[in-house]
Amino acid sequence: ILNVEQSPQSLHVQEGDSTNFTCSFPSSNFYALHWYRWETAKSPEALFVMTLNGDEKKKGRISATLNTKEGYSYLYIKGSQPEDSATYLCASSGGSYIPTFGRGTSLIVHP
Amino acid sequence: ETGVTQSPTHLIKTRGQQVTLRCSSQSGHNTVSWYQQALGQGPQFIFQYYREEENGRGNFPPRFSGLQFPNYSSELNVNALELDDSALYLCASSLEAGNSPLHFGNGTRLTVT
Repeated sequence: ILNVEQSPQSLHVQEGDSTNFTCSFPSSNFYALHWYRWETAKSPEALFVMTLNGDEKKKGRISATLNTKEGYSYLYIKGSQPEDSATYLCASSGGSYIPTFGRGTSLIVHP
Repeated sequence: ETGVTQSPTHLIKTRGQQVTLRCSSQSGHNTVSWYQQALGQGPQFIFQYYREEENGRGNFPPRFSGLQFPNYSSELNVNALELDDSALYLCASSLEAGNSPLHFGNGTRLTVT
């Protein structure tokens, strides 16, 4: 069973602030790293799936980077908006190819 | 494109009873994964089905069982319910490759009293 850690557990920012959070995962036998956004009363929505060391992905104001050698990924949100308020989940899949999730980072953006 | 649907949305059961949760996968997806999310935890992997065969199982007891049907829809069955089984149960479908994103349903909220 993979140990996937996310930090911080929760984060409060003001509208317009840029923010970032971390996902740590075992670097051995790595296959893929997933990021999901989970808004209240909705289902988790896939943001990115990354597989290669040094991968960088971007979707609007949200971007992510991947370091498979040291076992971490960063998710960045530029100019946070209230609609960015959600729980952000990361999941790592190793040799079993099955994503194992962290506990998530809860982001609240205050107007 | 039809998304992932789960039923029921919520239900209440008594300890010792049995429950069946259902999931219809997104069209074109042949893999279904089930996750349990207890309060304050991340989603915990229960099992995965690929083309009607169990393809992996997490650290859950045998009273958690499942099925996948030829149309790739799936069921999660839990026997002898315990209070700790109270949780949100998420179903996700995907393409077979492990680097494909998971497409989640809205979940079934199970309360065991």
